[in-house]
Amino acid sequence: GDSVTQMEGPVTLSEEAFLTINCTYTATGYPSLFWYVQYPGEGLQLLLKATKADDKGSNKGFEATYRKETTSFHLEKGSVQVSDSAVYFCALTQGISNFGNEKLTFGTGTRLTIIP
Amino acid sequence: DVKVTQSSRYLVKRTGEKVFLECVQDMDHENMFWYRQDPGLGLRLIYFSYDVKMKEKGDIPEGYSVSREKKERFSLILESASTNQTSMYLCASTQGGAGGGNEQFFGPGTRLTVL
Repeated sequence: GDSVTQMEGPVTLSEEAFLTINCTYTATGYPSLFWYVQYPGEGLQLLLKATKADDKGSNKGFEATYRKETTSFHLEKGSVQVSDSAVYFCALTQGISNFGNEKLTFGTGTRLTIIP
Repeated sequence: DVKVTQSSRYLVKRTGEKVFLECVQDMDHENMFWYRQDPGLGLRLIYFSYDVKMKEKGDIPEGYSVSREKKERFSLILESASTNQTSMYLCASTQGGAGGGNEQFFGPGTRLTVL
């Protein structure tokens, strides 16, 4: 079945550091790829997504590129802020919208803490 | 602003009790989901529904059932709560559509403790 493997946490960085959180996937067909973020005490919210190979998703200074050849979707940010402290989840859905194909398969999550 | 609401943020129940978790979305979405979130395991799908009165098992349905009598409401039922069902429960919804890749909108979660 489909699966997502992401970098184990927790990750602690200083403010303004460069961030990479690795994510690789195993899936049949042509999945859509997502990064969701969970701030303390809240539900998940979409950070960015990419629906086909070589697409780059970006939002709030974060970006990730859908690499089919390496089955990866690594999250990057050039200069992190304290407000970026959260748990980040990589996820996929199958690309064909059909009954049941909207369900997300998640990675285990990476807790990120940014210290001033 | 789109919204998914869950009936409780925190819930404490006793072993053997029947527990109802309610989720309501105001976006007229077709698809609704229940996940549980546990440290080190990420989110795992319990059940989902793609239409009123329609439901499908997810990856970990044992010990749970669901009900979707109206499009906007999706209920998760723990028939006889057990301590291993202590967890954070998250509801989500999404509009179906060609090509997939649709954003799921999540509620704030219900932290359930079973004593």
